[in-house]
Amino acid sequence: GDSVTQMEGPVTLSEEAFLTINCTYTATGYPSLFWYVQYPGEGLQLLLKATKADDKGSNKGFEATYRKETTSFHLEKGSVQVSDSAVYFCALRTSYDKVIFGPGTSLSVIP
Amino acid sequence: DVKVTQSSRYLVKRTGEKVFLECVQDMDHENMFWYRQDPGLGLRLIYFSYDVKMKEKGDIPEGYSVSREKKERFSLILESASTNQTSMYLCASSIGSAGQNEKLFFGSGTQLSVL
Repeated sequence: GDSVTQMEGPVTLSEEAFLTINCTYTATGYPSLFWYVQYPGEGLQLLLKATKADDKGSNKGFEATYRKETTSFHLEKGSVQVSDSAVYFCALRTSYDKVIFGPGTSLSVIP
Repeated sequence: DVKVTQSSRYLVKRTGEKVFLECVQDMDHENMFWYRQDPGLGLRLIYFSYDVKMKEKGDIPEGYSVSREKKERFSLILESASTNQTSMYLCASSIGSAGQNEKLFFGSGTQLSVL
């Protein structure tokens, strides 16, 4: 069935370090891909999305590229800030409107 | 802005009780979802609905049922609560039938404790 796999956390980085959070998926058809973020004490919110192969989603300095050949949608940021500390969830939306999430990756950025 | 409202922020129930979790959205969205969020497991889909009276099982429907009698309201029912259903429950909605650009709007969650 459809599924999303993310790299294990927690991830701890120093401020201004480069961030990569790996995400791979299994799905039939052509899913849309998303990254959601959950800041401490807040609800989930959409960070970025991509709807077809080779699309790049970007927001707040984060980027992810939809790679159909490797079924991946890795999240990257060139220089993280303390305010980026949060839990990041990779997700896919199937052609039947079902939305599935990965287990989440906790990121802590230290000054 | 879309508002997804969950009726309770915290609930404490006893084993065997019937529990109702209510969710209401105010933007005429077609799709509504119930997830549970547990540490290390992320969000797991319990049920979703793409129209009034329509429902589909998610990945972990056992022990749960849902009701969608009106478009704006999606209820999650625990017929006989058990301790392993202690969790954070999240409701979400999305436009539906709008192509591939939709996103989910989440409620603030209900932390359910079953004793």
